[in-house]
Amino acid sequence: NAGVTQTPKFRVLKTGQSMTLLCAQDMNHEYMYWYRQDPGMGLRLIHYSVGEGTTAKGEVPDGYNVSRLKKQNFLLGLESAAPSQTSVYFCAIGRQAGNTIYFGEGSWLTVV
Amino acid sequence: AQKITQTQPGMFVQEKEAVTLDCTYDTSDQSYGLFWYKQPSSGEMIFLIYQGSYDEQNATEGRYSLNFQKARKSANLVISASQLGDSAMYFCAMREPYGGNQFYFGTGTSLTVIP
Repeated sequence: NAGVTQTPKFRVLKTGQSMTLLCAQDMNHEYMYWYRQDPGMGLRLIHYSVGEGTTAKGEVPDGYNVSRLKKQNFLLGLESAAPSQTSVYFCAIGRQAGNTIYFGEGSWLTVV
Repeated sequence: AQKITQTQPGMFVQEKEAVTLDCTYDTSDQSYGLFWYKQPSSGEMIFLIYQGSYDEQNATEGRYSLNFQKARKSANLVISASQLGDSAMYFCAMREPYGGNQFYFGTGTSLTVIP
């Protein structure tokens, strides 16, 4: 998966718990993205970053926070997990003028 | 308004036949990129093909081609000589360079290749 590593791969959370998903890349790409994938809804952008120290909101940012303190890492945080956040989360990376984005393998999160 | 629309939730095709997966997009930008990704049952997202808005010729990658009709704002994926391994979800996506180079995805089309 083109040097994009997501951890953890699977996680079960109780409602109200917090957790952080880590996306790490070894391709030195400027852009990093967090998507969630739900049945029938495709991939929806949660947050993204255009460079170290920068973050921006995507289509569905509520309930999530992100940080990009280092260029190679993009963290997605859930402060107080809700069942509606049960989903598959994908990290992706891309170049500023690139012709594609490369995805990690996905992280399956279940909130009970 | 939806940026990317895929109107075919599911499609069937006979092995060795060609199939077209539809995609329409909505943007006011002049410069943008269009993409197709494949997601097999294993879950990974595989990049298939790219078309730039200024490219005059349709993109091709092996058995994949992108039928780009700019005036109609459509970017259909054509798979020739379908194989059983083509059975998967297919997502159309668009990149808008301005405002952070965001990528927008459609809801996907599930393709099943019948032997």
